[in-house]
Amino acid sequence: DAGVIQSPRHEVTEMGQEVTLRCKPISGHDYLFWYRQTMMRGLELLIYFNNNVPIDDSGMPEDRFSAKMPNASFSTLKIQPSEPRDSAVYFCASTPGYNEQFFGPGTRLTVL
Amino acid sequence: DQQVKQNSPSLSVQEGRISILNCDYTNSMFDYFLWYKKYPAEGPTFLISISSIKDKNEDGRFTVFLNKSAKHLSLHIVPSQPGDSAVYFCAASIRNSGNTPLVFGKGTRLSVIA
Repeated sequence: DAGVIQSPRHEVTEMGQEVTLRCKPISGHDYLFWYRQTMMRGLELLIYFNNNVPIDDSGMPEDRFSAKMPNASFSTLKIQPSEPRDSAVYFCASTPGYNEQFFGPGTRLTVL
Repeated sequence: DQQVKQNSPSLSVQEGRISILNCDYTNSMFDYFLWYKKYPAEGPTFLISISSIKDKNEDGRFTVFLNKSAKHLSLHIVPSQPGDSAVYFCAASIRNSGNTPLVFGKGTRLSVIA
């Protein structure tokens, strides 16, 4: 298996632009998680899905953030409009239902 | 309020010596603990875990110790190798009442000096 796939690996955009991050979880994994990593806050859980249904989005910082999982093999995290303080590394992770999560390589987002 | 704390942002250890990374938690409901390792430009990878019914789990050079009364766990790496240089994240969850998301600490950057 190729593991969790994220794209793009790097994204540089200007303030106010829409940003879409993509994730393909490991086949057969029922849970998908979106995290954000910053120096100040470490790894923060933004939202997670079970069987494509959002279970807890309390970590989503603002209404500018939204996430979807239209099917078992694809999820997106969208930021609209983006702001410089959104600059961070965004990770997607999946798990078959146990606690060990498998992380993707991350997307480094820079908002100028 | 941080439920999982790693109070040392960084640690330097000489090659061959023991590395001890510490983690404290506040939620007494946590019953499953994990350590993840992260290299630059990569996602975290699972290293070792421990259930609250145990106080020690060992896997090769890596041993995790759990002290429930103190709400403290530690990761020991013996002997430390330069390839162990990475950021280590402690994580915790509640398993016995259904899967709950992992709560991560902020990480400790380990540097193993040759």
